[in-house]
Amino acid sequence: DVKVTQSSRYLVKRTGEKVFLECVQDMDHENMFWYRQDPGLGLRLIYFSYDVKMKEKGDIPEGYSVSREKKERFSLILESASTNQTSMYLCASSQLPGQKGSEAFFGQGTRLTVV
Amino acid sequence: DAKTTQPPSMDCAEGRAANLPCNHSTISGNEYVYWYRQIHSQGPQYIIHGLKNNETNEMASLIITEDRKSSTLILPHATLRDTAVYYCIVRVGYGGSQGNLIFGKGTKLSVKP
Repeated sequence: DVKVTQSSRYLVKRTGEKVFLECVQDMDHENMFWYRQDPGLGLRLIYFSYDVKMKEKGDIPEGYSVSREKKERFSLILESASTNQTSMYLCASSQLPGQKGSEAFFGQGTRLTVV
Repeated sequence: DAKTTQPPSMDCAEGRAANLPCNHSTISGNEYVYWYRQIHSQGPQYIIHGLKNNETNEMASLIITEDRKSSTLILPHATLRDTAVYYCIVRVGYGGSQGNLIFGKGTKLSVKP
């Protein structure tokens, strides 16, 4: 079974801290994604990577950065956490779209609280 | 912005077919239609996808209109465990930066006993 593993299920951080959210996938997928999900707003794409060291901004990249040094790992970085970044963060990976097996697989999410 | 429009909510009786519509009138020739669902407190789960032909798998059927401007996801015998938010997404059929997944608000399906 495909596995997308997020490093933490729950996280509490202080305002101003640098926060790292890690995501690892075991299916050799090219594409990896970071979303945040908030009530009433649905899933919003933060960043997207379609290859190692490649990244693209999504809809809401402000306050975030990402790192993809290895194909299986995609890290989301909150440079200076703020309370409005309290959210559920979801990582996903997929093969190239349109191909057999191109569906995206999601991790279980990290619920981050910034106090 | 999401390229799809879905009703915000629907109800379905347990055991009956659930038909979830999606409008994607601006879809282009190289874009696929994907469906995902999200059960409360879990990550989204892939259901099915298609380009222009109807598709069926063990979870659902996908009916795409001939002009490809809309589609319907069919859960043939809905159960209480199918209660979830269902997302319809269009996505280009090649790699690179155009292959990202943009989620809209989805349809909250409530299956009732």
